[in-house]
Amino acid sequence: KAGVTQTPRYLIKTRGQQVTLSCSPISGHRSVSWYQQTPGQGLQFLFEYFSETQRNKGNFPGRFSGRQFSNSRSEMNVSTLELGDSALYLCASSLDPGTQYFGPGTRLTVL
Amino acid sequence: AQSVSQHNHHVILSEAASLELGCNYSYGGTVNLFWYVQYPGQHLQLLLKYFSGDPLVKGIKGFEAEFIKSKFSFNLRKPSVQWSDTAEYFCAVNALGGGATNKLIFGTGTLLAVQP
Repeated sequence: KAGVTQTPRYLIKTRGQQVTLSCSPISGHRSVSWYQQTPGQGLQFLFEYFSETQRNKGNFPGRFSGRQFSNSRSEMNVSTLELGDSALYLCASSLDPGTQYFGPGTRLTVL
Repeated sequence: AQSVSQHNHHVILSEAASLELGCNYSYGGTVNLFWYVQYPGQHLQLLLKYFSGDPLVKGIKGFEAEFIKSKFSFNLRKPSVQWSDTAEYFCAVNALGGGATNKLIFGTGTLLAVQP
């Protein structure tokens, strides 16, 4: 069974731009969550989607948003990028309820 | 607010030494508990999990963890570490109740370096 895939793997943007990251969950998994990983803050929960609905949201500004499609694929968007948004963005999928399986992440660098 | 504490931030061991990494969480309700591992250059992988039942759970590569409800702890152990266990280890909690969610709260991680 294929694992969680994330595209792109690496991204470089400048301040003020916006970015969209994509995640394809494991087949059959309807829950998709996003996390931000930084050296200073560690792994922090961004949001969770289930059946195209946002089910839970972390403590991030409104510049961070996401959505889930009918095939369970998910995207997250960050608008008006700031230097502090540089991070590894991880997507995880699971059955519901279940264990989360993580993708390789998208490394975002904001210059 | 719910939180997870990992007391050891950086651990250095020699091969064949025993390992115990501490994890405590703050949440009074039912929890699912996890340990994930991140090897250098690789993505987060599940090491083991506890949902219910026997509080002593066994995972991959000889790791085990014990859930002690009264202490809100879920410590990770391995009797004899190998150089290949060099990685960062994360404890995570899924707090149940208040609606369905798979949201994980992570500890800050423990960087383990095993010297050959």
